Amino acid sequence: GQNIDQPTEMTATEGAIVQINCTYQTSGFNGLFWYQQHAGEAPTFLSYNVLDGLEEKGRFSSFLSRSKGYSYLLLKELQMKDSASYLCAVRVLPGTDKLIFGTGTRLQVFP
Amino acid sequence: GAVVSQHPSWVICKSGTSVKIECRSLDFQATTMFWYRQFPKQSLMLMATSNEGSKATYEQGVEKDKFLINHASLTLSTLTVTSAHPEDSSFYICSARVWDREGPRETQYFGPGTRLLVL
Repeated sequence: GQNIDQPTEMTATEGAIVQINCTYQTSGFNGLFWYQQHAGEAPTFLSYNVLDGLEEKGRFSSFLSRSKGYSYLLLKELQMKDSASYLCAVRVLPGTDKLIFGTGTRLQVFP
Repeated sequence: GAVVSQHPSWVICKSGTSVKIECRSLDFQATTMFWYRQFPKQSLMLMATSNEGSKATYEQGVEKDKFLINHASLTLSTLTVTSAHPEDSSFYICSARVWDREGPRETQYFGPGTRLLVL
């Protein structure tokens, strides 16, 4: 089966840094995506990793280690609007966009 | 950026009725769209892959006769929940595959979702 695990909930303070981890065991791997989802809304694309290493995009960075089946999303200079769920998703097969989503991590940012 | 719309944004219906949800790509053509279902506080579960001009591919455990998918054009896919029951109440989200030159070679952009409540 396909397994993608994330912590269920996290809390952090405005201005701080938070790291959301994602571990995966899937039948194949062709890229890992991070999405942000505010309550009652659709997910929005944040980042994509297919090679090992760190991808930086403004306040958000995402890291991938394929040998360890591990990724993290790093959020810096947290703002209240960053309170949302963060979904890790793995593209399982090459040549298709079928995504398997993790359980999601609900992040709450406090003032 | 790519824009995907869904209609309606929410619907309440009686048990036993059928409900149709539309997913449109507004500024691009999408040969492939995906339909997901999300229960409260849970992640997205892929229901089916919708391919323009051919039959949809359903995930294991999803009844194709209950969730009818029609991808009639390059900009429109519809999901019909037939004979809806209260357990079908959920948040239904579609996405479209996009070739993104600036980011990953292919990615998905999501519609705003449709909240279905079956009484």
